[in-house]
Amino acid sequence: GAGVSQSPSNKVTEKGKDVELRCDPISGHTALYWYRQSLGQGLEFLIYFQGNSAPDKSGLPSDRFSAERTGGSVSTLTIQRTQQEDSAVYLCASSFYGGQPQHFGDGTRLSIL
Amino acid sequence: GESVGLHLPTLSVQEGDNSIINCAYSNSASDYFIWYKQESGKGPQFIIDIRSNMDKRQGQRVTVLLNKTVKHLSLQIAATQPGDSAVYFCAENIKGGGSNYKLTFGKGTLLTVNP
Repeated sequence: GAGVSQSPSNKVTEKGKDVELRCDPISGHTALYWYRQSLGQGLEFLIYFQGNSAPDKSGLPSDRFSAERTGGSVSTLTIQRTQQEDSAVYLCASSFYGGQPQHFGDGTRLSIL
Repeated sequence: GESVGLHLPTLSVQEGDNSIINCAYSNSASDYFIWYKQESGKGPQFIIDIRSNMDKRQGQRVTVLLNKTVKHLSLQIAATQPGDSAVYFCAENIKGGGSNYKLTFGKGTLLTVNP
C-alpha cells in the first residue's frame, strides 16, 4: 500500500523486556515522526527525523527510549526495560518535509504486563 | 495548561446536520494548523490544514476557520454522516528555529452522529 506501515500492530510483553517497533514511511517522504497516544488522550510527540539532519529527540520521556532511521526510510523505535507506564499506542507519521501534513500509520498497541 | 485545547469534549448531532468542532490555541507564534479524524483502532487521518496567512479554507464537506485575533480554530462538517463519527483532533505547529516541525495536539472531541 501507499500509506505509512507499522509493525507489529499489537505487542504484549512482560515488564523489563525490550521492544522494537517498526515504521515504514510513505515512499519519498523525508520527514518521519513518532508519537505516543495513551488511552483517551491526544498525541504526545516523541522524536522527529528530517533527512540527514540530527533528529529532534526532545520528546523522548527517558533514556530507555531510542529511535533510529536507516537509509532515510525505515525507522525503529526501541524501548528498553519496559515499564507498565509505557503501555500506549505508538504512532508513526511521515511527510514530504517538515511543515507539510503528516500522514499516520495505524500504530502499534503496546501492552506491558 | 495545554497550548491546544478543545471547548467540547463530546458532540452529538443528527445525521444531515452541520457539525462545528472548536479548538483554542494559546501560542500566537503558531503558524500552521491541521485537523485530524481518528476512528477507533486507527491512526489519525488528515482532514484539512490551514496556514496562519489564511482565515478560511474549504475542502470536501469541510471548512476550517482560523481566527488569529482570539486564537480560535474551528472545523465545520456539512451534512454530517454516520461515517463522520470519530474523535477529531486539532494540532498546531509552532514556527521554530531550524527544522523543528513537531505538532502539538489537543485531547480531541468525540463526534457522534445519530441516524
